Amino acid sequence: QSALTQPRSVSGSPGQSVTISCTGTSSDVGGYNYVSWYQHHPGKAPKLMIYDVNKRPSGVPDRFSGSKSGNTASLTISGLQAEDEADYYCCSYAGTYSLEVFGGGTKLTVL
Amino acid sequence: QLQLQESGPGLVKPSETLSLTCTVSGGSISSSSYYWGWIRQPPGKGLEWIGSIYYSGSTYYNPSLKSRVTISVDKSKNQFSLKLSSVTAADTAVYYCARQLGAAAFDYWGQGTLVTVSS
Repeated sequence: QSALTQPRSVSGSPGQSVTISCTGTSSDVGGYNYVSWYQHHPGKAPKLMIYDVNKRPSGVPDRFSGSKSGNTASLTISGLQAEDEADYYCCSYAGTYSLEVFGGGTKLTVL
Repeated sequence: QLQLQESGPGLVKPSETLSLTCTVSGGSISSSSYYWGWIRQPPGKGLEWIGSIYYSGSTYYNPSLKSRVTISVDKSKNQFSLKLSSVTAADTAVYYCARQLGAAAFDYWGQGTLVTVSS
């Protein structure tokens, strides 16, 4: 069970859009529509931002959106704000035997 | 508002068993709509799913940890617990408990508790 691949870091200026990728295989990301994204500020609890590829929990701004193409899922944050600076993790269902697998995490810096 | 709180020793000796409990408040652990899970984050590393449990007691575990992990539920106390045996320094991490909305979707998390494995 290998971690999903995410870029180590991305950056953008306030107001811009950034996209974070999450690459897996046909056994996880590509095989199921169960990809989620978490925002994690150090020292705090992770926060669910997107689930089931593109669903937003109540209270999450619509600036956050998710998508998937083949074995790669993406989180797009539009209209970047300073408070968006955090670590972001993707997570995918990986089937009956491997179950849930996280990505290595991406540090988002708002310039 | 649902809240989860991890509790347990912050220091465990190598080869011993790590034991943590998650207390759920503001909601029932017996809800048929959710699973309850454990996730950890070693220092400077990413998140790792450990395992999850349904209120009925059905469990599923990360294959890489399965031989050492036991997750159980105590409905009377609205708690679920994690036991990780034969720990090594590699098990040093912040351990989180969380409610699982669905596959790969953890929607409420505890604040996390740091467990250090050291003699």
